Amino acid sequence: DIQLTQSPSSQSASVGDRVTITCQASQDIGNFLNWYQQKPGRAPILLIYDASNLEAGVPSRFSGSGSGTDFTFTISSLQPEDIATYYCQQYDNLWGATFGPGTKVDIK
Amino acid sequence: EVQLVESGGGLVQPGGSLRLSCAASGFTFSTSAMNWVRQAPGKGLEWVSGISGGGINIYYADSVRGRFTISRDNSKNTLYLQMNSLRAEDTAVYYCARDRVNVVVTALLHWGQGTLVTVSS
Repeated sequence: DIQLTQSPSSQSASVGDRVTITCQASQDIGNFLNWYQQKPGRAPILLIYDASNLEAGVPSRFSGSGSGTDFTFTISSLQPEDIATYYCQQYDNLWGATFGPGTKVDIK
Repeated sequence: EVQLVESGGGLVQPGGSLRLSCAASGFTFSTSAMNWVRQAPGKGLEWVSGISGGGINIYYADSVRGRFTISRDNSKNTLYLQMNSLRAEDTAVYYCARDRVNVVVTALLHWGQGTLVTVSS
């Protein structure tokens, strides 16, 4: 099955900073990669689907890119409400789905 | 408004069984692919299982295959997860989640609030 790695595992940044998280797949997954935000005690929220598509209602400061094995998630200008853990997730019709280990983002 | 409400969690002994339910409303359940995702205390997300709208296509994570069974009753707009031979490592909050498109599994757009399963003696 396909494994995902994320880096960094945690990141501290100031309000207004650009934050970048990477996700690497153990094999080519095309663009079958999604990004979620999860705040403590809450269910995850889908932010980006199929590598680069912004889900409806999600602020435009969130973006995603990449294909194949290497993907990037970016917050262009960090806001206090963006403090959360971010997960990448891949899917395929052989094995189902896998989540990355998560990246915790907080305010410096 | 889409609503997913999980129930059935609780404390169970190792080796025991539990059945989770997820009551769905606000969308056409019978054509929607559905999933279970879990999160152990203080840990990350783990996809558990997915099922197509008609119940034909079913997938499981290796960690639960042979012990857990996903099913659905489209007449009741309800998703189920039958969990047998439970282990301590199955302790987690279990979320019900709807796929963004009517194919299992893709992007998980709608989530329930979760139900806690604790496996302990």
